[in-house]
Amino acid sequence: DAGITQSPRHKVTETGTPVTLRCHQTENHRYMYWYRQDPGHGLRLIHYSYGVKDTDKGEVSDGYSVSRSKTEDFLLTLESATSSQTSVYFCASSPGLAGENEQYFGPGTRLTVT
Amino acid sequence: SQKIEQNSEALNIQEGKTATLTCNYTNYSPAYLQWYRQDPGRGPVFLLLIRENEKEKRKERLKVTFDTTLKQSLFHITASQPADSATYLCALGYSTLTFGKGTMLLVSP
Repeated sequence: DAGITQSPRHKVTETGTPVTLRCHQTENHRYMYWYRQDPGHGLRLIHYSYGVKDTDKGEVSDGYSVSRSKTEDFLLTLESATSSQTSVYFCASSPGLAGENEQYFGPGTRLTVT
Repeated sequence: SQKIEQNSEALNIQEGKTATLTCNYTNYSPAYLQWYRQDPGRGPVFLLLIRENEKEKRKERLKVTFDTTLKQSLFHITASQPADSATYLCALGYSTLTFGKGTMLLVSP
């Protein structure tokens, strides 16, 4: 399995506070992704990165920002957490373009915003 | 708008039977289609990728078909086992993937 980890695995935070989730991969994959998964919605793409310092928005990017200063790390920041951002967040990586390459997923971070 | 549809109702089958899951899509012309398995509390795990010029792909007990005319993929698990119980997701895209909501498969002994 590709080595992809997420931290923290669980977090409870209050509305209005900033939160940063970390994704770390050891496979030297060029592409990395952040998804959220909610009942009734499935997996939805928040942001993705196609190289160091190269990022783009996904389907549900409002209220989120990302940064990638090293190949192995991809950070997701909730600038001011809201209850609607309570979700399970998954990070993934792939060696090439998403469509023609398998994605390797991390174990997920369960975030609760109170 | 682009849509991916998978049966929202769980599929219940008996051990040893073949499970068939469906993925339908609209307003896409995908060159690739992927299937993932997700167990409760865990991240999805890649199973198979099929290209538009491949009508069928197999891996052990798994078989995927891809009909670009019908805009449909079928995912089969033959000789199903209780350990195959999970949610199965299909995904389409090029630079990014869009996932279906998944179908839960329950295999009873």
